[in-house]
Amino acid sequence: DTAVSQTPKYLVTQMGNDKSIKCEQNLGHDTMYWYKQDSKKFLKIMFSYNNKELIINETVPNRFSPKSPDKAHLNLHINSLELGDSAVYFCASSREGAGVSAEAFFGQGTRLTVV
Amino acid sequence: GDSVTQMEGPVTLSEEAFLTINCTYTATGYPSLFWYVQYPGEGLQLLLKATKADDKGSNKGFEATYRKETTSFHLEKGSVQVSDSAVYFCALRSSGGGADGLTFGKGTHLIIQP
Repeated sequence: DTAVSQTPKYLVTQMGNDKSIKCEQNLGHDTMYWYKQDSKKFLKIMFSYNNKELIINETVPNRFSPKSPDKAHLNLHINSLELGDSAVYFCASSREGAGVSAEAFFGQGTRLTVV
Repeated sequence: GDSVTQMEGPVTLSEEAFLTINCTYTATGYPSLFWYVQYPGEGLQLLLKATKADDKGSNKGFEATYRKETTSFHLEKGSVQVSDSAVYFCALRSSGGGADGLTFGKGTHLIIQP
């Protein structure tokens, strides 16, 4: 069983559209994240969600919004897509109780291409 | 704020060569340090970690030692294989805890030639 799974793996869409990426983890973790990886492979955290608390990276446009229907899911909604949103988006999860030493488990990534 | 600096690639080596990828960090408190690996077309996988000064993390022949005095966590392997070709990320998690997520370096693309 895949620990952190996200769908779709590839997403091609036109500018201005609204799209969602789904993420599910079966590890029983209580913290989930979304990261963006740009064309130079640089990874930057976008959101973390833990026990109903949402922490947002201040550089993330408000067109991006995470939605968590339950502890095992954290979906990413993107409104009014722009060319610059093209990137690989990774979902991850970790166990908050493990504190600073908590490793994160990553999904396979979703390659978003905005045309 | 927290930051991680690692050598940028690509780093090209021949099979069985010795590998070092440098990583230094800036963080508040006592961070935990990680190396993640990303194989082509895949997500990130934890390679090794260290949670306190002088700890050595090791896995699959790779090692890294948490050096607080030099704020470094260099990745080493004695004899690399073609299958080690990947992008390697150094990362830290500071005393902010899990909800703040990991801070990553920019990644080092490693290419091993037969």
